[in-house]
Formats: sequence, structure tokens, C-alpha cells
Amino acid sequence: AQRVTQPEKLLSVFKGAPVELKCNYSYSGSPELFWYVQYSRQRLQLLLRHISRESIKGFTADLNKGETSFHLKKPFAQEEDSAMYYCASRGSNYKLTFGKGTLLTVNP
Amino acid sequence: DTGVSQDPRHKITKRGQNVTFRCDPISEHNRLYWYRQTLGQGPEFLTYFQNEAQLEKSRLLSDRFSAERPKGSFSTLEIQRTEQGDSAMYLCASSLDGDRYFGSGTRLTVV
Repeated sequence: AQRVTQPEKLLSVFKGAPVELKCNYSYSGSPELFWYVQYSRQRLQLLLRHISRESIKGFTADLNKGETSFHLKKPFAQEEDSAMYYCASRGSNYKLTFGKGTLLTVNP
Repeated sequence: DTGVSQDPRHKITKRGQNVTFRCDPISEHNRLYWYRQTLGQGPEFLTYFQNEAQLEKSRLLSDRFSAERPKGSFSTLEIQRTEQGDSAMYLCASSLDGDRYFGSGTRLTVV
């Protein structure tokens, strides 16, 4: 069974500081990994996927198969980054398994 | 708004009553998913449809839950004989063989 672990429920940083949201997964095959974000009063939306190896809004995430991690990073946090972030994995079927989420607060 | 829409946004019901939620996916999307989210948790998969066929159901979906997508377009999720533990946000998402787009959800409160 797939499992996604986000060890931090809350993360608070100051504007301009680096931020890293941790995500670890367990899956016997080769999953696809995603980060979703939910801003206040908005719907859940895809932030980035590991396959694309893209940077969105300054965020990047690298899949580390050895450590089974997919941490989300941004070198300089902005106040508008404050949101709930969910890591998710998808295996051979179409089911997405989400972590419990990390609430990021970027203070001025 | 051409995104995924869900109705109603909020539902308060008495324990033991039946409730039905509706999801309208993005029009050309062939896949539709239902998730449940409780406080402090991420969304949990309930079921998914490809066109009108229900292809997978979670063990979370007890016999009191049923979902349909009769014409491969909108979907309904019915909960019979609601219990207080059913109180949650019910999310719908749709996709076209790729990224999922989520609706705003229906928040169910069972009193």
C-alpha cells in the first residue's frame, strides 16, 4: 500500500528565508510524486509533479529514490506562499494518496 | 467558472438522514474522482469513474455510500443513514488522463 508522510504539520518562516517542506513516501514500485497547494479559501490545486522537473512559483522538488523523499524547496519564501501544502503519490493505478499536509506560514 | 463544480457547498443533516451530493466535472474530462477530507488529514480516496464505469472503490466506502455517473458526465455521491463520523469535506476531481482538477468541495455536518 502507498503511504505518504509529511512530518511537519506546521512550518513558520520569515519572508526571504529558505523553506523546505518534507515528504517521504513508501511504495514498492515507481510512483509519480506531486505537490498540491491550497491557498486560503481556494480549492486544492496542483503545484508541481516530479516528472516535469519544473520550477513553479520558485518552488522545486527533487525525487530521491534512495531516501524515498520528495521534499519541496524554495530559496526565498514570500508572504503569498502561505498555504497548506500536500504531498501526494500515484502508483500503477489512478489512485492518488495524499499526506496529511503542512501548513506553511511566511511571516513579514 | 469552467472548473469542477460541486453542489451544495454546505450541508447540515440530522443523523440517520440520507444526503446526496453532486459533482459536475470539466466537460471533456473522462475521469472523475471522489475524496473525503477530515480535519487535520489530507484527502482520502473514495472512488473513481472512467466515463460511466466505476473502476475502483476504497474500503472507506461502506455499504451506506454509493456513487454514480450515469451518463459519464456529472456524478452523485449518496450517503444513507448518515452518522456523525461522516462529517467531512467531500471533494470531487476530474481529469483527462492527466492532472486532476479539484472542486471546492461539499462540507457535510451531521448533527
